[in-house]
Amino acid sequence: QKEVEQNSGPLSVPEGAIASLNCTYSDRGSQSFFWYRQYSGKSPELIMFIYSNGDKEDGRFTAQLNKASQYVSLLIRDSQPSDSATYLCAVNTGSGGYNKLIFGAGTRLAVHP
Amino acid sequence: EPEVTQTPSHQVTQMGQEVILRCVPISNHLYFYWYRQILGQKVEFLVSFYNNEISEKSEIFDDQFSVERPDGSNFTLKIRSTKLEDSAMYFCASSDKAKNIQYFGAGTRLSVL
Repeated sequence: QKEVEQNSGPLSVPEGAIASLNCTYSDRGSQSFFWYRQYSGKSPELIMFIYSNGDKEDGRFTAQLNKASQYVSLLIRDSQPSDSATYLCAVNTGSGGYNKLIFGAGTRLAVHP
Repeated sequence: EPEVTQTPSHQVTQMGQEVILRCVPISNHLYFYWYRQILGQKVEFLVSFYNNEISEKSEIFDDQFSVERPDGSNFTLKIRSTKLEDSAMYFCASSDKAKNIQYFGAGTRLSVL
C-alpha cells in the first residue's frame, strides 16, 4: 500500500514567519511530488511541484526533496493570513502521463496576525 | 488562464438514483482523472482515462461507476445507483503528457439522501 504521510496540524505561525510543512512517502519509485493548497470547501490548487533532489523556489514558496530519505517539504516565507489553509502533499509514483496522485491527509496551517 | 470546469457545483439525489457529473478538461490535455474527497478525509483517486479508455481505476471504482468522453470536450462520471456513502466532493482533473501536472476543477458536491 503506497502511503503519503503528513502531520495534520494545526501548524500555527505568526504573520511574517516561515511555515515549514513536511511529508514522507513510502514508495521509492515515486517520480514527482506536488504541493496543493486547499481552502475549506474548495478544490486543491497547485502551489509547487518538484522532480529532482534539492530545492526549488517560486516566490515565497520553496519545495525541498530528498529521495534517499523519502521526504519532501514546503517552506512558506513571510507567511500571510491568506496562507491559512490545508496543504496537501501528493506523490505520483509512475513515469507515465496518466499516473494517479496519492495524497496525504494534509496539514492545516493557521497564520495569525 | 485555462481551467477545468465542473458542473453542477452541487447535486442532491435520492439513494438509488443515477447521477452524472460533468467535467470539461483543459483543452490541450490528454489525461483525465476523477478523485473524490469525503468530508474531513483525504483526496482519493477513482479513475484515470487516456485515449478513450480507462488507464487505471481504484478499488472504490466498482461496477456502479463509469466514465465516458462523449464528445471532444466533456468527460463524465456516472454513478448508476447512488448510496449514502457516495456523498462526497468529486473532483475532475486533467494533465498534459509533458509534465503530468494535474489541475483540478472546482468540484461537485454530491449529497445522497
